[in-house]
Amino acid sequence: DAKTTQPPSMDCAEGRAANLPCNHSTISGNEYVYWYRQIHSQGPQYIIHGLKNNETNEMASLIITEDRKSSTLILPHATLRDTAVYYCIVRVSDDAGNNRKLIWGLGTSLAVNP
Amino acid sequence: DAGITQSPRHKVTETGTPVTLRCHQTENHRYMYWYRQDPGHGLRLIHYSYGVKDTDKGEVSDGYSVSRSKTEDFLLTLESATSSQTSVYFCATGRGQGATGELFFGEGSRLTVL
Repeated sequence: DAKTTQPPSMDCAEGRAANLPCNHSTISGNEYVYWYRQIHSQGPQYIIHGLKNNETNEMASLIITEDRKSSTLILPHATLRDTAVYYCIVRVSDDAGNNRKLIWGLGTSLAVNP
Repeated sequence: DAGITQSPRHKVTETGTPVTLRCHQTENHRYMYWYRQDPGHGLRLIHYSYGVKDTDKGEVSDGYSVSRSKTEDFLLTLESATSSQTSVYFCATGRGQGATGELFFGEGSRLTVL
């Protein structure tokens, strides 16, 4: 699975949109982009994933560039509870069977400030 | 969210003693994983299971063994704990083949080996 590059930390004002970038320049055509977050010392939590189309759910939006070499996770109205470490991961296929190959980096530590 | 329970949540033990961590899930997910998380490292896969009695090694499996005798339980055993195994351990589950690949995590077990 391809590796990803994320900024180590970011700040965002409460109520504003948080835009978290991820570079995955070596992504292959069959690799999906997944985002997770980890709040304090809790277990990571799945946020969203996509292949090439933009995706939106109740938590966030995922924007993937046309060449698929980068993506942005958008939290439209960040709250203090969104303070967490955000992980961007790319993986072959959408299938649970490939989770064993995931490479977890150190993610982006997002601080949402009052 | 998948019902994933880890026990114990906190444990302090001495070097050389055996330790078993338990992961219990109520969602009938096929795949189960054990990760460790240490400062300066991303999540690292220790062992995983793709069905009852079907397990395989991850990237940091030395010193660990696992067993899965029932769909809902995945045990991680440190045969003779060492200080380098002081860590936070996370269990995760994934749905069956063909389902989307997101992982569901437990709350973690913090192990300290003195």
